Amino acid sequence: DGGITQSPKYLFRKEGQNVTLSCEQNLNHDAMYWYRQDPGQGLRLIYYSQIVNDFQKGDIAEGYSVSREKKESFPLTVTSAQKNPTAFYLCASSPRRPGGPDTQYFGPGTRLTVL
Amino acid sequence: QKEVEQNSGPLSVPEGAIASLNCTYSDRGSQSFFWYRQYSGKSPELIMSIYSNGDKEDGRFTAQLNKASQYVSLLIRDSQPSDSATYLCAVKSFGNEKLTFGTGTRLTIIP
Repeated sequence: DGGITQSPKYLFRKEGQNVTLSCEQNLNHDAMYWYRQDPGQGLRLIYYSQIVNDFQKGDIAEGYSVSREKKESFPLTVTSAQKNPTAFYLCASSPRRPGGPDTQYFGPGTRLTVL
Repeated sequence: QKEVEQNSGPLSVPEGAIASLNCTYSDRGSQSFFWYRQYSGKSPELIMSIYSNGDKEDGRFTAQLNKASQYVSLLIRDSQPSDSATYLCAVKSFGNEKLTFGTGTRLTIIP
């Protein structure tokens, strides 16, 4: 089955620790995205990548880092520099074909809680 | 500041009635428009995409786009309790890889 997987589903972190959230897709999509969602708020873009070995900061990149070494994978590291990391993290991907659909599809999400 | 605005609700609609969800956007360069449905605790799932002025129908769902007035709406006919969710409007500008999301409208269908 084609799709986007995120792991873990739930993650608990102690203050001062770095954690890495996994995102994998087998849809052969070029573009991948990380969003953060807080209660009662819309999705805010953290980082995105349009091609392997390249990525750009989104609107709230401070305290986060990413890598894109493979087309299928776009892991997000939440560093200790992120002051308020408790949130629902969503990974998305898009085919990004010229002249074609640019729809983003979402994975199931990871809920991060800082203890 | 480019924005997408939605009424946060909650919007309560009787079962079987038409639910109407609205979204306005500020960037006149916006080219692609999306409606996502998000159940509590779950990730957003795509309902509709629309790119041209007018109506686009898919089953019980109709998306309406008016670029001159800068609004996009979603109509849900014959509303079912399973339609109870938060509906997110998202907008993409030409040449911009980023989607801008509204904060969502919470819809409750009353049996």
